[in-house]
Amino acid sequence: GQNIDQPTEMTATEGAIVQINCTYQTSGFNGLFWYQQHAGEAPTFLSYNVLDGLEEKGRFSSFLSRSKGYSYLLLKELQMKDSASYLCAVRDLKQAGTALIFGKGTTLSVSS
Amino acid sequence: EPEVTQTPSHQVTQMGQEVILRCVPISNHLYFYWYRQILGQKVEFLVSFYNNEISEKSEIFDDQFSVERPDGSNFTLKIRSTKLEDSAMYFCASSDDGTGAGANVLTFGAGSRLTVL
Repeated sequence: GQNIDQPTEMTATEGAIVQINCTYQTSGFNGLFWYQQHAGEAPTFLSYNVLDGLEEKGRFSSFLSRSKGYSYLLLKELQMKDSASYLCAVRDLKQAGTALIFGKGTTLSVSS
Repeated sequence: EPEVTQTPSHQVTQMGQEVILRCVPISNHLYFYWYRQILGQKVEFLVSFYNNEISEKSEIFDDQFSVERPDGSNFTLKIRSTKLEDSAMYFCASSDDGTGAGANVLTFGAGSRLTVL
């Protein structure tokens, strides 16, 4: 099955840059996704990688290395509202078809 | 922006009772999913549904669970005889077929919080 690892907690200050790492093991890799989840709310889509390299979307960027089973989410110019859980998820066609399998999430706390 | 709608937002039930959670996926989406999240834990995959049948299910999705698409818009999750450990937030999600720019991204509803007493 999948094994998705990411740090449990991270802290940062407003205006800073933070990188959240994710490692994974799959047998039928078909994409890595990053979601944001505020407490008590639904996960919301941030970014998607299926090929190696960097995808940039405004203040958020995500990187993928398929050979290393590694991704990171980069958040720039941090704001207080970025305090949330960041979920790394993989699509493994052999294990779960089109469904996404989530890691435990990284809780990011942004302070002023 | 299109959204996934779930009802009820919160349901309290007695152990052993049947519960039905309802979802209206985004209208042009073809894949439907149920996930659950026990308080403080990760989002866990339950089941995926495509072309009017279950396409994948996890170990969690045992005989107590069933899904149905009773009409052209609703997608339901039924728990036949609830247990205390079924208390969780249940998220419905839908996705397109990935041929466009969406890359089969899952869009989640706001969730239904189930409390089993």
